[in-house]
Amino acid sequence: ELKVEQNPLFLSMQEGKNYTIYCNYSTTSDRLYWYRQDPGKSLESLFVLLSNGAVKQEGRLMASLDTKARLSTLHITAAVHDLSATYFCAVDLNTGGFKTIFGAGTRLFVKA
Amino acid sequence: DAGVTQSPTHLIKTRGQQVTLRCSPKSGHDTVSWYQQALGQGPQFIFQYYEEEERQRGNFPDRFSGHQFPNYSSELNVNALLLGDSALYLCASSLKFVTPLHEQYFGPGTRLTVT
Repeated sequence: ELKVEQNPLFLSMQEGKNYTIYCNYSTTSDRLYWYRQDPGKSLESLFVLLSNGAVKQEGRLMASLDTKARLSTLHITAAVHDLSATYFCAVDLNTGGFKTIFGAGTRLFVKA
Repeated sequence: DAGVTQSPTHLIKTRGQQVTLRCSPKSGHDTVSWYQQALGQGPQFIFQYYEEEERQRGNFPDRFSGHQFPNYSSELNVNALLLGDSALYLCASSLKFVTPLHEQYFGPGTRLTVT
């Protein structure tokens, strides 16, 4: 059974600081996703990572994937208050169709 | 280009009742997946529909069933509601055979409260 673990589960940080969120998964997968969710809202796609060594950046967020270690990271650079949200990583379990398994989420609060 | 839409937005039901939630996929998409997100938790995969058939299923009891229509829209039905079924139900659409990218677009969700 595919398991996806994120850490930390809660993160409070000061504006301007850097930090990394980690996502480990237990079995081989073709795709890893990062999503953002604001309170009471739906999921917003941030990144889709497909191959070992993949790195994608959007603004202050950068995601990377190491398929050999089954590890993805979401790095936050010079955090701003607007980044406060819950961040989920998710992995596809390809069993003929696509079953997407989510981590528990990292609740990020950036203090102004 | 309309995104994924869901109805209703909010719903309050009593234990033991039945509920139907609806989803219209993003234009051009043919695959619909349903997720349950309890408060403070990550979404959990319920099932996926493609070509009007259930193709994948998560660890949910048979009380959870679904349907996909020829226009690709979908319904999620939950029978014999329990208090624990209270959650945000998310629908996501995608194109099944777009490879290697399988990108899902999520709807705004239906907030179900069971009392």
